[in-house]
Amino acid sequence: AQTVTQSQPEMSVQEAETVTLSCTYDTSESDYYLFWYKQPPSRQMILVIRQEAYKQQNATENRFSVNFQKAAKSFSLKISDSQLGDAAMYFCAYRSAQGGSEKLVFGKGTKLTVNP
Amino acid sequence: GAVVSQHPSRVICKSGTSVKIECRSLDFQATTMFWYRQFPKKSLMLMATSNEGSKATYEQGVEKDKFLINHASLTLSTLTVTSAHPEDSSFYICSARVLTARAEQYFGPGTRLTVT
Repeated sequence: AQTVTQSQPEMSVQEAETVTLSCTYDTSESDYYLFWYKQPPSRQMILVIRQEAYKQQNATENRFSVNFQKAAKSFSLKISDSQLGDAAMYFCAYRSAQGGSEKLVFGKGTKLTVNP
Repeated sequence: GAVVSQHPSRVICKSGTSVKIECRSLDFQATTMFWYRQFPKKSLMLMATSNEGSKATYEQGVEKDKFLINHASLTLSTLTVTSAHPEDSSFYICSARVLTARAEQYFGPGTRLTVT
């Protein structure tokens, strides 16, 4: 079974600075998807960024980018120019690309605090 | 686009009663919806996968007679917590799978269930 590990229960960053959240995963599959989700205090889960395993290029979405290291099974999230609104729980998630295996496997999450 | 709603957002019920939670995809059709449970300061735990027109697939350890799932249409799935007990108190979140090649999952805002 696949597992996702987020080793940082909590992180903090100064406003306008950069922070990196770590995520590692374990799988025997070669094709899969990786995601970062944000859960603010409202509890609404929001998709931040997505990476297909077959793509070597790291995904980017505005201030959010990932460092995807397939061999190392590492998928870190970098948030640049941090804003107060970035404060939230961040969950790393894995999904198999095999047909019929659509469920997401989540890490335990990292609570990000942004200090003004 | 890709908005998922849940109703109610909060519910308080007495022990022994049943509670129904609705999950709707507002602007897209979803053949597959997922139900998660989230304990305070914890990650999301998948309870079951709901497929339109067929029986739900429950994760190991989730009582199917306790948590009844019905996916009667392409835009609606319901979770009924039967004979609720205080230990069923939790935050319940649904997600819906978009019918595209990317097969994204979009999450509802969640339902806070409190059983007294």
